[in-house]
Parts: sequence; structure tokens; C-alpha cells
Amino acid sequence: GENVEQHPSTLSVQEGDSAVIKCTYSDSASNYFPWYKQELGKRPQLIIDIRSNVGEKKDQRIAVTLNKTAKHFSLHITETQPEDSAVYFCAGAATYSSASKIIFGSGTRLSIRP
Amino acid sequence: KAGVTQTPRYLIKTRGQQVTLSCSPISGHRSVSWYQQTPGQGLQFLFEYFSETQRNKGNFPGRFSGRQFSNSRSEMNVSTLELGDSALYLCASRSPLAGSADTQYFGPGTRLTVL
Repeated sequence: GENVEQHPSTLSVQEGDSAVIKCTYSDSASNYFPWYKQELGKRPQLIIDIRSNVGEKKDQRIAVTLNKTAKHFSLHITETQPEDSAVYFCAGAATYSSASKIIFGSGTRLSIRP
Repeated sequence: KAGVTQTPRYLIKTRGQQVTLSCSPISGHRSVSWYQQTPGQGLQFLFEYFSETQRNKGNFPGRFSGRQFSNSRSEMNVSTLELGDSALYLCASRSPLAGSADTQYFGPGTRLTVL
């Protein structure tokens, strides 16, 4: 069945350094790739997303890249800050106007060392 | 606009019982999806409802069911509870007819503990 693999499961970086989280997907019909950030005890919040017709998208310190041929997409966080510490989930989805099936990766626990 | 709300926030049940969880989407959102979140399995898709119809279903046993009402509120039911059903149950709503049709907004979740 459809699957989204996410690596690494845990990541610790020095404050100010960059963090990269990678995901691969199996469903060729996937056309939407959101990234969610979940802080301890809180709900997942969308931080950035990308659609299959775009190769890269950036929003301030966060960027996402997509390689459709290799079925890879990655989250890049630059100049990391303590508030970036959280669990990050990638997802792949085949979405249509009235239906969607989103498959999430297993999550990456990012810790920012002061 | 008010966000997605879920009730109850916490629930304790015993094995064999059944439970019903409720989700109220953002006003105007007609799609509601349900997810199970556990430490070991991450976020697992249960099902999605749109206009009172189930549009997609994940790989969960028939003990897990749901429905959606005409006001887009949704309920999820789990019958014959098992210890392994202990998890955070999240619902998410989206507006398929809006510009950002794919963006899902999550509720705070219901923490279910099965003893």
C-alpha cells in the first residue's frame, strides 16, 4: 500500500545551524506534500506545503524541495532557534475536490541545542 | 473564525466498552478527517467525510466507524475497545471548495485511555 518514509527519527542540531528532514513516498498519484509541526501537547500545525507542479518553495527560514522523479521531498530549516524544537511530520496526499487520503511519515523529533 | 474543536478532550474507558468522539470543523469546512496518533505509529489516517459521505478510509478494523451530520460535525465511534486503542484521536477539517483546498486544520484531539 501507500507509504511515506521519514528520516531521521530524531535530530539534534546546534542553535543557528541548519536542519534537514527527508521523506520518500510510494504513491505516484500523490500531488500534495504538507509539513506539520507539533509541539509538545499541542495539535499539528501546517508550516509549509508544496504541490507536485513546483520543485521548491520557501517561507523565511523554512524551505521545501520536491523531486518527483525520485519521489523525494525534504524540509530545510536554516538558522535554527530554540522554538523550532518540536516533532515534524511530512505527508503525501492525493487530493481532489471532495476527497483526499493523506499518508503521514512517522515524524522527526528535532531538538535545538543552545 | 473559531478553530476545530473536539469533545471530550480526555476519556478513560475499559476494555470491551464503546466510545463516541465528536468533532466540530471550522465554520464553512465540509470535509472532516480523523487520525489516530500513537507514540509508536505516528499519525494514522482513519477516514474522511465530505457532505455526510465517507470518501476515503484507512486500514483500520470495522470497530472504527464514523459519520457526518448535515452541519458538517462529525462523530467517530470505536466499539469493543482494546488496550491498543489508547491514543490521541485527532480530527482535521478542510474546505475543498476554497483556494487552499488541501490544507487541513487540526483540532486539539481527544486523549483516549483504555484500561
